[in-house]
Amino acid sequence: DAGITQSPRHKVTETGTPVTLRCHQTENHRYMYWYRQDPGHGLRLIHYSYGVKDTDKGEVSDGYSVSRSKTEDFLLTLESATSSQTSVYFCAISESDLYSNQPQHFGDGTRLSIL
Amino acid sequence: GQNIDQPTEMTATEGAIVQINCTYQTSGFNGLFWYQQHAGEAPTFLSYNVLDGLEEKGRFSSFLSRSKGYSYLLLKELQMKDSASYLCARAGVDSNYQLIWGAGTKLIIKP
Repeated sequence: DAGITQSPRHKVTETGTPVTLRCHQTENHRYMYWYRQDPGHGLRLIHYSYGVKDTDKGEVSDGYSVSRSKTEDFLLTLESATSSQTSVYFCAISESDLYSNQPQHFGDGTRLSIL
Repeated sequence: GQNIDQPTEMTATEGAIVQINCTYQTSGFNGLFWYQQHAGEAPTFLSYNVLDGLEEKGRFSSFLSRSKGYSYLLLKELQMKDSASYLCARAGVDSNYQLIWGAGTKLIIKP
């Protein structure tokens, strides 16, 4: 299994509070991704990173920010959580980008509930 | 749009064969991935197709027709552990090479 650790695995918080989710990898892969998964929807990309301090927005980036100060860590922050951000969040990594058609490998997910 | 469509749910019998279809937008297409996801777990990579034809990996095979915007995942000799959701994901120039995911097909295996 790819060495990807997400923390926390579960979190319950209140509307308006800041939340940070962490993704840590031991594979030294360049590309890292944050997705959310909701019933009836496919995985939706929030942000991704193509190197240290290099990030870009995905299709559902509003309300989220990311940071990558080291190859192994990719943080996702909800500045002021809203109930619509209740979801399961997955981190993924890939060795290279989709130009070379490398698959993405996923962490075990974080279940986030915002009350 | 970038719609990628697959059936919501399918049921099959242990030991049988099942085919899960996926249709997608053909413009800018650059590859089709299949993943398996057991309930409460992470998606895991199954297969990748970029050229027309069938790719076989043991009990699982994946087929692609680029002209038709169509792929299927074929599961043979079904086992109870194959009960899971199966996700197809398309890569394309139009999505800046990021994956666009289908909502997944929940496969229920009955004894």
